[in-house]
Amino acid sequence: GENVEQHPSTLSVQEGDSAVIKCTYSDSASNYFPWYKQELGKRPQLIIDIRSNVGEKKDQRIAVTLNKTAKHFSLHITETQPEDSAVYFCAASESGGYNKLIFGAGTRLAVHP
Amino acid sequence: GAGVSQTPSNKVTEKGKYVELRCDPISGHTALYWYRQSLGQGPEFLIYFQGTGAADDSGLPNDRFFAVRPEGSVSTLKIQRTERGDSAVYLCASSPLRVKNTGELFFGEGSRLTVL
Repeated sequence: GENVEQHPSTLSVQEGDSAVIKCTYSDSASNYFPWYKQELGKRPQLIIDIRSNVGEKKDQRIAVTLNKTAKHFSLHITETQPEDSAVYFCAASESGGYNKLIFGAGTRLAVHP
Repeated sequence: GAGVSQTPSNKVTEKGKYVELRCDPISGHTALYWYRQSLGQGPEFLIYFQGTGAADDSGLPNDRFFAVRPEGSVSTLKIQRTERGDSAVYLCASSPLRVKNTGELFFGEGSRLTVL
């Protein structure tokens, strides 16, 4: 089955700096890669996703890149703000109609003012 | 409702007891998922319903875990003979019809289960 590894487990940056979180996956059949943000004690919420037919997607300060050959994908956050502080999870699935998402272990991002 | 609703938000029980966790998905969402999140870990897939049927229960850890969705809306996750290792946050998520599926799962706030 699919296995997703995520690095780093914790990341501390100064406000305004960029943050990069990386994930690798094992199943070459996976073709859908979302990123979820989870604030302390709250529900995970989708922030951006990418499908295997594109290599990059951007949404304001957030971007995701995908390298299918190497089976890795990354989240990039530019101009970080304190409200970006949260745990970020990457995931992978075979989007054949339902999302049996396999999640990474998470990255705790702290943005210091 | 406006979002996925889960009850109870917190449940403390003793080892060996039976517990039920309820999930009320977003109205109109036919797909429903249960995940389990242990401290410091990502959500772990348990079971997926499309309508009333469990289309994929491959993530249920053993036969003490069972879930139902009798009318294709509300779902109940049932855990028999609870063990301390069952302590976790149980997350429910729903998503729209397959044909309109953007891929996004809408999660509830979770039910935190503590087994003493």
